[in-house]
Amino acid sequence: QLQLQESGPGLVKPSETLSLTCTVSGGSISTSNYYWAWIRQPPGKGLEWIGSIYYSGSTYYNPSLKSRVTISVDTSNNQFSLKLTSVTAADTAVYYCARLGPTSWNFDLWGRGTLVTVSS
Amino acid sequence: DIQMTQSPSSLSASVGDKVTITCRASQSLTNYLNWYQQKPGKAPNLLIYAASTLQSGVPSRFSGSGSGTDFTLTISSLQPEDFATYYCQQSYRTPYTFGQGTNLEIK
Repeated sequence: QLQLQESGPGLVKPSETLSLTCTVSGGSISTSNYYWAWIRQPPGKGLEWIGSIYYSGSTYYNPSLKSRVTISVDTSNNQFSLKLTSVTAADTAVYYCARLGPTSWNFDLWGRGTLVTVSS
Repeated sequence: DIQMTQSPSSLSASVGDKVTITCRASQSLTNYLNWYQQKPGKAPNLLIYAASTLQSGVPSRFSGSGSGTDFTLTISSLQPEDFATYYCQQSYRTPYTFGQGTNLEIK
């Protein structure tokens, strides 16, 4: 069955760039009508949608992060990636990748999440 | 942005109880409202989409209702595995936004 797995550094220094990759296995990232998303959750807090991408490269970002976020897709490796620049301690969170389904645009499949800590 | 407000923020209940969680949106969503369950250290899991459609594999004791700005998630008879945090999420318009969560605890 389709699975998502986040990977990347667990520790990033302030002012540097956070980079994560989500690998999709058991199916194709190029499936029509599905978008792929990044969502984050600071420790002990709620969920925040960061942005979404279609396999064609079309993207939607949360305006609150748009100036610092880039989401890209690599269909040949069945992966999509997140880059968040100029990070601060406020960006410390568990970062999830997820599939965004076209029926009611729900997040119907999630990765396990990866904790990224911003600290010097 | 569309603001999502859940109530209550926390709730204590017993096994077998019927529980209702409410989610209110700052503007009409028609039925673009989804519910998730999250257990500690785990990713959220989709329970209900389009306000009232049960996701495949989710027990029938979970149900959702509502439209417009007011929605509810009901658990008809609480089971031990249902004690978790529940989130609503609007998908009517980007940026997609979530409620602050309802922590369902064992009484």
